[in-house]
Amino acid sequence: VKLVESGGGLVQPGGSMRLSCAASGFRFSDYWMTWVRQAPGKGLEWVANIKQDGSEKNFADSLKGRVFISRDNAQNALYLQMNSVTVADTAVYYCAREELLWFGAATPYSWLDPWGQGTLVIVSS
Amino acid sequence: DIQMTQSPPSLSASVGDRVTITCRASQNIRKYLNWYQQQPGKAPKVLIFGASTLQGGDPTRFSGSGSGTDFTLTINGLQPEDVATYFCQQSYSTPRTFGQGTKVEIK
Repeated sequence: VKLVESGGGLVQPGGSMRLSCAASGFRFSDYWMTWVRQAPGKGLEWVANIKQDGSEKNFADSLKGRVFISRDNAQNALYLQMNSVTVADTAVYYCAREELLWFGAATPYSWLDPWGQGTLVIVSS
Repeated sequence: DIQMTQSPPSLSASVGDRVTITCRASQNIRKYLNWYQQQPGKAPKVLIFGASTLQGGDPTRFSGSGSGTDFTLTINGLQPEDVATYFCQQSYSTPRTFGQGTKVEIK
């Protein structure tokens, strides 16, 4: 099972970025997928997730309207697009698979495993 | 959004010590609580899900407890390879918020 992010690099303030995550070693279309970011020296920030068929998406409140998550199950790929970036968006961006455990409750336990190695986005002029 | 508060922000302990990290949720999250370990320079990896279920392959010196709003991660017998930052995360609702992390070092 492997996740490999790409697309990071230097982005101008006010510009856009599009990150990709290539999945392998598992049936990609069976899993919710998630993006998490981590600013340099800071904690983890949950960004967004997307359902197996792409029909449901959730976003961090602070990023709604600026970030878009999508997937291509035929290509085993996950994407994140962010518009109008600022220096505060400088971070390592991780993709992760969401594991679920149904135990009889209406909501399953869910956790992130595995994670990719991350791709660094630097927003700077 | 559910706020997750961890304490302490950092700690230093000796090899073999018992280490305890706490995580408090701003509302009842039942047992929808995960713990992750992030070793320096690496991606996070899950240690515990469902508040107390140890991920397969992780050392049994790690344990989790709690429900509702108060949770604990315990390392029984700290080892040098446990130097890392530990994060809690709630999976009760979206956005699935993280605690701010606890950095564990060896004294």
